[in-house]
Formats: sequence, C-alpha cells, structure tokens
Amino acid sequence: DIQMTQSPASLSASLGETVTIECRASEDIYNGLAWYQQKPGKSPQLLIYNANSLHTGVPSRFSGSGSGTQYSLKINSLQSEDVASYFCQQYYDYPYTFGAGTKLELK
Amino acid sequence: EVKLVESGGGLVQPGRSLKLSCAASGFSFNDYWMGWVRQAPGKGLEWIGEINQDSSTINYTPSLKDKFTISRDNAQNTLYLQMSKLGSEDTAIYYCARVGQLGWFAYWGQGTLVTVSS
Repeated sequence: DIQMTQSPASLSASLGETVTIECRASEDIYNGLAWYQQKPGKSPQLLIYNANSLHTGVPSRFSGSGSGTQYSLKINSLQSEDVASYFCQQYYDYPYTFGAGTKLELK
Repeated sequence: EVKLVESGGGLVQPGRSLKLSCAASGFSFNDYWMGWVRQAPGKGLEWIGEINQDSSTINYTPSLKDKFTISRDNAQNTLYLQMSKLGSEDTAIYYCARVGQLGWFAYWGQGTLVTVSS
C-alpha cells in the first residue's frame, strides 16, 4: 500500500496568515492526490483534486501543488472558517489511502 | 444539488452483521462510481472501497475485503455496504461518497455512526 505522511499533525496560525500543509507519498503517485477539509462534526469536503485543480465552489485562497512524492496545500489569507482538519488522499494506486490529517487552529 | 443520505447505522453486537444504505439524489446515479469511507471516533479517514456504474468492478481495501460487500441498485439510486463479523475496531462513522473522474471523492454524505459493542 502507498503510505501518505502528512505534516504537521497540528498547526496554529493567525487570521490573514498563509498556511502550508505537506503530504509525502511513499512512492510516486503522479499527481493522483486530493485534499479535503473536515470541520468539526461535519463530513469531509473536497478542496483540490489532481494535486492542483480547485473543486467547484472552493475559494481561490486554497491552492495545491507538488509532483512525484511531495505535495502541499496552501491557504492564503487564513479566515476563521478555515479552522478544520485537512486530509490528503492518493488515488494513484489501490488501495487508495489517506494521510493522518492536520488539525488547523487559530492562534 | 447532489445529495447523499446514509442510513442503517446504530448499535450492533460483536460478531453480528449490518447493512448500510446511501440514498442518492440530484444527479444521474448510474453515471458515477460510488464509494465508502469510514472514520473511527477522533481518528483519520479510511478508504473502504468503490463500485463502478454497472457493478462489474468493485475494489476494496484488502483488510476489509472478506468482511464488507459493496453493492448498488441503480433503479433505486441507492448504494449499500453489507458488513459482517463486526468487531469493536469497526466502530466508526461511515460515509458514502460520489467518486470523481479518477478516484477522488467529490461529494460526501453526512455519515452514519456504527457502534459495535455488547
């Protein structure tokens, strides 16, 4: 199975700040990567697919980048509604696997 | 509007079986792959598996392949997850989701909680 290592596990940032979350795959996943946001008590919501494509309706302050085994999610100008957990998922090879998540809080 | 509504969760004794349903609306159900993901309390997400449009291809995570069965009824716009030999490790919120073009989950239901306990 492809292992997805996500960092950091938790993160505290101020409003307006830029935040970056990383995801490293145990092998090349050829941009087969998605990012999800999960607010407390809610289901996950897709943010990014194919490593850098923004899902419909997602604010443009969210962006994804990377290639090979290294990927990142960037949130520009952090808003209060961005407080959530974030998960990456690889869908290059079965079984699809998720990162352990990053919990983002406000400082 | 895409809507996915899971049902069938609840308290179940260890070793028993349970079948979850996911009612889909707001899109052409038989045009999409569908999948299941679970999340143990306070934990991360675990991919369970997915099924293609005509049920001819079903993929599972290997550790659950002998316990869980994914199926669908396109006439009823409903996805199913049959779970057997349940143990405490299966306690989780179970989400159904519509699969995107290549395997990401574009839309999710609200989830249904399964608690395995005597």
